Amino acid sequence: DAGVTQSPTHLIKTRGQQVTLRCSPKSGHDTVSWYQQALGQGPQFIFQYYEEEERQRGNFPDRFSGHQFPNYSSELNVNALLLGDSALYLCASSFTGFGETQYFGPGTRLLVL
Amino acid sequence: QKEVEQNSGPLSVPEGAIASLNCTYSDRVSQSFFWYRQYSGKSPELIMSIYSNGDKEDGRFTAQLNKASQYVSLLIRDSQPSDSATYLCAVRTGNNDMRFGAGTRLTVKP
Repeated sequence: DAGVTQSPTHLIKTRGQQVTLRCSPKSGHDTVSWYQQALGQGPQFIFQYYEEEERQRGNFPDRFSGHQFPNYSSELNVNALLLGDSALYLCASSFTGFGETQYFGPGTRLLVL
Repeated sequence: QKEVEQNSGPLSVPEGAIASLNCTYSDRVSQSFFWYRQYSGKSPELIMSIYSNGDKEDGRFTAQLNKASQYVSLLIRDSQPSDSATYLCAVRTGNNDMRFGAGTRLTVKP
């Protein structure tokens, strides 16, 4: 049973550039959530996708956008990168329902220079 | 006040001891609570979930929930050096989004 997968594992960008991160959920899961984790901090909720729509959104600017495809995979796009966007980006998948336990992928480490 | 608060630690216990990790949350209507373990450089992995007041045991791990006090804890019995990691408390809020604490770093000394 394949778990949550993410690509790429590492990425280096410069300020002002744009980046796209990808996530495939665990088999049987229909919901994808994205988190940003800065060093020494807990994950911060960016947004959640369900049925190809953004269902919930955290306190992140519009530079952060996403998409969910019919096969439940998802992308996170960040425009106009800032140095402060350097972090570990985590994707978590779950099955909609009571509890909605989330399982994390390995993450994408983004460095903005 | 932060939505989910944990003691940042570090918490150090000897091998074989009980490690106690604590978490408080601010949203009174929260219904789902989770503990994740995160090794350095890795992503969080789920240890336990708890939804009802009281204790829930899974092997060496026991989660405790007290909704009246807005408090959730994790006990690790017979701690092993392999338990050394950062432990994240997560709460599903009334808005149905997940909020994480900053984590407590645990070191188990042989």
